[in-house]
Amino acid sequence: GAVVSQHPSRVICKSGTSVKIECRSLDFQATTMFWYRQFPKQSLMLMATSNEGSKATYEQGVEKDKFLINHASLTLSTLTVTSAHPEDSSFYICSASKRLVETYEQYFGPGTRLTVT
Amino acid sequence: DAKTTQPNSMESNEEEPVHLPCNHSTISGTDYIHWYRQLPSQGPEYVIHGLTSNVNNRMASLAIAEDRKSSTLILHRATLRDAAVYYCILRDVGGTSYGKLTFGQGTILTVHP
Repeated sequence: GAVVSQHPSRVICKSGTSVKIECRSLDFQATTMFWYRQFPKQSLMLMATSNEGSKATYEQGVEKDKFLINHASLTLSTLTVTSAHPEDSSFYICSASKRLVETYEQYFGPGTRLTVT
Repeated sequence: DAKTTQPNSMESNEEEPVHLPCNHSTISGTDYIHWYRQLPSQGPEYVIHGLTSNVNNRMASLAIAEDRKSSTLILHRATLRDAAVYYCILRDVGGTSYGKLTFGQGTILTVHP
């Protein structure tokens, strides 16, 4: 159990367009979901924490108007990259926790490779 | 956030044990020690976590120092599939952090056949 999926796995878009990435917990209810970004040869950087039914909490330096996060249900969170530019090209990874405050591990999705041309 | 220090890289031979160290001298009482690993172009995978006592699961063992300022992830018999970046992370479950994870650079483990 505890499977997290992401869709799409890869996406190529033109500069100036918006892209939506979905993150789903397939077999459990995720009270909290997290969005990370990873550039080549670098570690994961947390972008935002999303709790179901409330606004996401963004990390310092992450533009909330550019990276729109919606967590409408306990099994789905979406990240929309608005007006994407080549510098937004990256590997985007989501994760989900079973409980709000617990020692339970985060379950990660397989990632979405975004390329902006 | 309390930080961790790991060697940049380590090497091992297949079928041999691997000990991956992690220093976390500023760990707080509410920090759990988590280990994740990431294979190329994949999301991280949970390996193990612990608070004070040593822990074992089907993937690995976690040895935690008595003062909790360091820990060691032990892979008992390395396989080629264990080649990955291993992250040692302190997870704060207190306050309003919602248990978020702060990834460091991790240790690149190379396993030789």
